[in-house]
Amino acid sequence: DIQMTQSPSSLSASIGDRVTITCRASQSIDMYLNWYQQRPGKAPKLLIYSATSLQRGVPSTFSGSGSGTEYSLTIRSLQPEDFATYYCQQTYTTPYSFGQGTKLEIK
Amino acid sequence: EVQLVQSGAEVKKPGESLKISCEGSGYNFKTSWIGWVRQKPGKGLEWMGIIYPDDSETRYGPPFEGQVTISVDKSTNTAHLQWSSLKASDTAMYYCARHRKGAFDYWGQGTLVTVSS
Repeated sequence: DIQMTQSPSSLSASIGDRVTITCRASQSIDMYLNWYQQRPGKAPKLLIYSATSLQRGVPSTFSGSGSGTEYSLTIRSLQPEDFATYYCQQTYTTPYSFGQGTKLEIK
Repeated sequence: EVQLVQSGAEVKKPGESLKISCEGSGYNFKTSWIGWVRQKPGKGLEWMGIIYPDDSETRYGPPFEGQVTISVDKSTNTAHLQWSSLKASDTAMYYCARHRKGAFDYWGQGTLVTVSS
């Protein structure tokens, strides 16, 4: 099974900051990498699929990059609604494992 | 509009059985995979498994193989997740989600399952 490791596990930032979250796969996943946002008490929401494609309706302040085993999610100019937990997920092969999550908090 | 509507919260005792549901609408239910994700209180997302409604092909994550059953009723556009004998450790929020473009693009609202004696 493929293991997904996110870093950092938590992150403090201010409104307007630019932040980057990283996700590393235990083997190459050929850009089959998705990013989700989960706000407290809500279902997760797809932000980025196939490593770099922005899901319809998601602000362009979110972007994804990476290849092979290393991927990142960047949020430029943080807004209050961006403070949430973020998860990566590989869909290269089942089981389609998630990372452990990164909690983004207001500094 | 694509929607996944899950059944309501459940409170059960250890050893009891349970079947929760996820009804899809607004798209061709038969030709998109549907998956289930577990989230224990205060914890991360765990991929449980996925089913293709048209032929019921199913894949399970290793921790869930033999512990739960994922099924589908094409006549009602509904996916199900069931347990034959619940444990306290099954207490969690369970989400269904549509799998398309290699990702879970639409999610249900979640079903909270509480198992306590």
